[in-house]
Amino acid sequence: EVQLVESGGGLVKPGGSLRLSCAASGFTFSSYSMNWVRQAPGKGLEWVSSISSSSSYIYYADSVKGRFTISRDNAKNSLYLQMNSLRAEDTAVYYCARDRPSSSGFDPWGQGTLVTVSS
Amino acid sequence: SYELTQPPSVSVSPGQTARITCSGDALPKQYAYWYQQKPGQAPVLVIYKDSERPSGIPERFSGSSSGTTVTLTISGVQAEDEADYYCQSADSSGTHWVFGGGTKLTVL
Repeated sequence: EVQLVESGGGLVKPGGSLRLSCAASGFTFSSYSMNWVRQAPGKGLEWVSSISSSSSYIYYADSVKGRFTISRDNAKNSLYLQMNSLRAEDTAVYYCARDRPSSSGFDPWGQGTLVTVSS
Repeated sequence: SYELTQPPSVSVSPGQTARITCSGDALPKQYAYWYQQKPGQAPVLVIYKDSERPSGIPERFSGSSSGTTVTLTISGVQAEDEADYYCQSADSSGTHWVFGGGTKLTVL
């Protein structure tokens, strides 16, 4: 079964840092691009960042560029999101999602991990 | 920055057809994708590349594209289809993904 499991969320103060992880199983992780998408409480989906299978291509939303860093370890079947200089508006559930082949959409998604930025 | 525009809400009675639109300037050049999200759950892909349906998604879900607007159509709506629906596409550079604001489908 293809599965993505996020971890690392929690409560952090403004200006603080947090590192999210996404453990992948049930598929050849090193063959797929991966993504982070977030959803603020009661709000819609917001794409955060994407990384290609070999980490050659990395993209960020303007709202997080310069503060967040996406990375992956194909040997560990894991995706990461290092979040620095966190702001209240970064409070959200963070999902990791796999890119289907040939730009066929994000599927599956993990269950999400909640990040709360508050003093 | 690039935006995709969806109606905030759509309401239909069971058995009727629901249509949810998504508008964006780059849609003639970029594929659109649709996701269903039920409360407390992660999104699920229901349409990709404008009109393709992933395996396991019921045939009542279909997608279409015309100019700067794409449409998700749910024929014979069932109570279980009540959810938030999001469109997704890429900006003109193809490097940044964008989601629409979401549409809440209510089954009356």
